[in-house]
Amino acid sequence: NAGVTQTPKFQVLKTGQSMTLQCAQDMNHNSMYWYRQDPGMGLRLIYYSASEGTTDKGEVPNGYNVSRLNKREFSLRLESAAPSQTSVYFCASSSQTGAYEQYFGPGTRLTVT
Amino acid sequence: SQKIEQNSEALNIQEGKTATLTCNYTNYSPAYLQWYRQDPGRGPVFLLLIRENEKEKRKERLKVTFDTTLKQSLFHITASQPADSATYLCALDADSAGNMLTFGGGTRLMVKP
Repeated sequence: NAGVTQTPKFQVLKTGQSMTLQCAQDMNHNSMYWYRQDPGMGLRLIYYSASEGTTDKGEVPNGYNVSRLNKREFSLRLESAAPSQTSVYFCASSSQTGAYEQYFGPGTRLTVT
Repeated sequence: SQKIEQNSEALNIQEGKTATLTCNYTNYSPAYLQWYRQDPGRGPVFLLLIRENEKEKRKERLKVTFDTTLKQSLFHITASQPADSATYLCALDADSAGNMLTFGGGTRLMVKP
């Protein structure tokens, strides 16, 4: 039981390049989330998927797209990376949205030069 | 504007003492509040959830209080140990449906032997 896995662990991009961050969970959770964490800013929600087939914007969705590929997988895409997207990205899942604990992955450290 | 405030300065305490961390919020009406622990380079780990109609919640050496009048939650670790050293994050539901969590910036706790 791996919990929430994320790939890659580290990535360096040049401005304008694109990439997809992958996330998978093996807990049969309905809901999945993408956060970014910046020093002094705390975790900020980018997008979430309450259930398979649905996605919704969070606090900071601009510059990102998501795909809920199936119940297990939720990917985050940067179409044209910018230095402001340098951050640590965390994927999380929970059995439902709302008052349920979230399980976080180990994070992806992304640097955009 | 909406804010969640945690003391950004590190809290240093001696082993065996009780650590008390504060989470204050402004212009939110949360139905619940959660506390997470985050170690360097890792994703947050869920600790406790407390609902608006609960004054206090305990789990082993951890205790959380929730005062909706003061708009404050206190997180206590009794008989603290060096292994409790980490950053502690509070989070509350940020939308009326309760689907999205908003996190505070976290407080770093250092327990000295």
